[in-house]
Amino acid sequence: DIQMTQSPSSLSASVGDRVTITCRASQSIGTYLNWYQHKPGKAPKLLVWAASSLQRGVPLRFTGSGSGTDFTLTISSLQPEDFASYYCQQSYTSPGTFGQGTRLEIK
Amino acid sequence: EVQLVDSGGGVVRPGGSLRLSCAASGFGLDDYAMSWVRQVPGKGLEWVSGINWNGGSTSYADSVKGRFTTSRDNAKNSLYLQMNSLRAEDTALYHCARVVGDLRVNYGMDVWGQGTTVTVSS
Repeated sequence: DIQMTQSPSSLSASVGDRVTITCRASQSIGTYLNWYQHKPGKAPKLLVWAASSLQRGVPLRFTGSGSGTDFTLTISSLQPEDFASYYCQQSYTSPGTFGQGTRLEIK
Repeated sequence: EVQLVDSGGGVVRPGGSLRLSCAASGFGLDDYAMSWVRQVPGKGLEWVSGINWNGGSTSYADSVKGRFTTSRDNAKNSLYLQMNSLRAEDTALYHCARVVGDLRVNYGMDVWGQGTTVTVSS
């Protein structure tokens, strides 16, 4: 199975900050990399698909980039509603493994 | 409105069985591959299983292979997860999710159910 490694596992930031989360695959996955936002008690939400394509309705402050084995999710200016957990997931092959998650907390 | 509604969770003893259901509305289930994803309390997301559009192909995580079976009834717009030989480590919130693309190579999961809780405890 392809292993996905996210960093950091947790992050404290303030409203207005720019934050970057990284995700590394154990082998090349092209651009078959997706990012999700997850808030407690809610269903996960697809933010970015195919490494850099923004899902409809997702604010432009979210940006995904990368290819091969290294990927990033950047939030350009944190808003109060962005404090949540974020997961990368590879969809290059089954099983579609997730990273361990990044918990984004208010500083 | 495009929606998935998960149901069927509950408390079951180790070794027991449970069948989860996922009802789709607002779209034709037969247009999509589907997946089950779970979250163990306090931990991250884990992809559990997937099924292609007509049920002809399935895939499972190693942790559930041989114990869980995914099926679908497109006429009823419903997805199922039969869970046998349940273990304490299967305790989690289970979500069904709609896959964008094929079962094995795709562009993520764009619609999710709210989840149904499975607790395995003696």
